[in-house]
Amino acid sequence: NAGVTQTPKFRVLKTGQSMTLLCAQDMNHEYMYWYRQDPGMGLRLIHYSVGEGTTAKGEVPDGYNVSRLKKQNFLLGLESAAPSQTSVYFCASSALASGRVWFFGPGTRLTVL
Amino acid sequence: GESVGLHLPTLSVQEGDNSIINCAYSNSASDYFIWYKQESGKGPQFIIDIRSNMDKRQGQRVTVLLNKTVKHLSLQIAATQPGDSAVYFCAESPGNKLTFGGGTRVLVKP
Repeated sequence: NAGVTQTPKFRVLKTGQSMTLLCAQDMNHEYMYWYRQDPGMGLRLIHYSVGEGTTAKGEVPDGYNVSRLKKQNFLLGLESAAPSQTSVYFCASSALASGRVWFFGPGTRLTVL
Repeated sequence: GESVGLHLPTLSVQEGDNSIINCAYSNSASDYFIWYKQESGKGPQFIIDIRSNMDKRQGQRVTVLLNKTVKHLSLQIAATQPGDSAVYFCAESPGNKLTFGGGTRVLVKP
C-alpha cells in the first residue's frame, strides 16, 4: 500500500513550456486534491475532484487544468508555465464517506525559469 | 475567500518546555479542524483533529483546544522535543475541502 504518490519529484521548466503532474492513490478514495505551497505559506487549493470524471475549482485555479479519468489518478496540467507557478505541489486524497482524513503525497518541486 | 490564519510566524521553545501554537479561523461553517506538522521537504503530517461539537481533544503529548465563540483553536505540545521542530499548520473544513492557515515554525532549543 503506497498511499499517495506523485510524479515527478522535481522539475525545471522554461516560461511557456507545458507539463503534467501525476498523482496516484491506491486507497480507493473518492476525493482527490491538488494544492500548491509557496515559501513560508500554507497550502492553497488549486483544483479538486469528488469522483471519477468530475473536477472543480479551488482557491487558485488560474493557469492550471486537471483531469480525473481514472479513480486512482488525478492529473494537474500547466499549459504555459509562468515563473509565478514556481512552487511545491502537493496532492491529497480522502475518503470522506468514512471520515474526513486527508492523506498527502510527498510533493513535487517545480521551478519555472 | 474565507481563510484560516495564525498569530505567530515563529516560536522558539526550550527543550522540555510546553509549546502553544494559536490559530484563528474565519469560516463559521467549518465543523472540523486539523493540525498538521510539516518537516522540511515533506508533505503535511496529521497530528490531531477536533470536531466542532468538542472543545478539547488530547493525543499523545498534544492537545487541541477549540473556542468556537471567538473562532480560535490552539495546539499544545507537552515536553517539546528536538523532533518537534517543524512548521505547524491548522486547517479547517466545512465539508469536502480543507483550507490551511499560514503556518508557525517551531524551533526547539537544546
